[in-house]
Amino acid sequence: QKEVEQNSGPLSVPEGAIASLNCTYSDRGSQSFFWYRQYSGKSPELIMFIYSNGDKEDGRFTAQLNKASQYVSLLIRDSQPSDSATYLCAPYDDYKLSFGAGTTVTVRA
Amino acid sequence: GAVVSQHPSRVICKSGTSVKIECRSLDFQATTMFWYRQFPKQSLMLMATSNEGSKATYEQGVEKDKFLINHASLTLSTLTVTSAHPEDSSFYICSARVSSSGGKYIQYFGAGTRLSVL
Repeated sequence: QKEVEQNSGPLSVPEGAIASLNCTYSDRGSQSFFWYRQYSGKSPELIMFIYSNGDKEDGRFTAQLNKASQYVSLLIRDSQPSDSATYLCAPYDDYKLSFGAGTTVTVRA
Repeated sequence: GAVVSQHPSRVICKSGTSVKIECRSLDFQATTMFWYRQFPKQSLMLMATSNEGSKATYEQGVEKDKFLINHASLTLSTLTVTSAHPEDSSFYICSARVSSSGGKYIQYFGAGTRLSVL
């Protein structure tokens, strides 16, 4: 069973602050990593993906990957109340996604 | 991103009836689609992988005779919950896989179907 570990939260941050989400995974063979956002009662929506070690920035989001440490993170800069959701980390291996339990983020106005 | 359409968004049915859920890729062809189930406050659980023109691959513990999957075309996969019971009430979500650069894949999700069995 491939494991994906995330802090369940809730992670509470003030509006305008940086939210930092962490994820570790057990399968060293994982090559692609995805972050999805899921609002309550809705389906997941893709935020960004990262394939290579290092940082990848997309707007207010930055994904960081360290394959040697089997660690991937997501930073949300200038957090907004609309960022309040559950964030799912999902390594891609064996041609399918493995989901973590998700980290719930609450942005305080 | 790619658009995945899922219908219906919500269905309420009586115990013992069957319910069909459709998942369509609107602007791309999807040889592979996935079906997930999510119970309240839990993460997504993969039920099965649907491949166009072949039998679906079910995850361990998922009853293939109860959850019938058909992927007859490159843009449509269906999940039929047969003889539904209250314990089948859940949020069912489909996903389609799209090829990306460098031989990678990206998965996009449908809006989900909330099934309530009375």
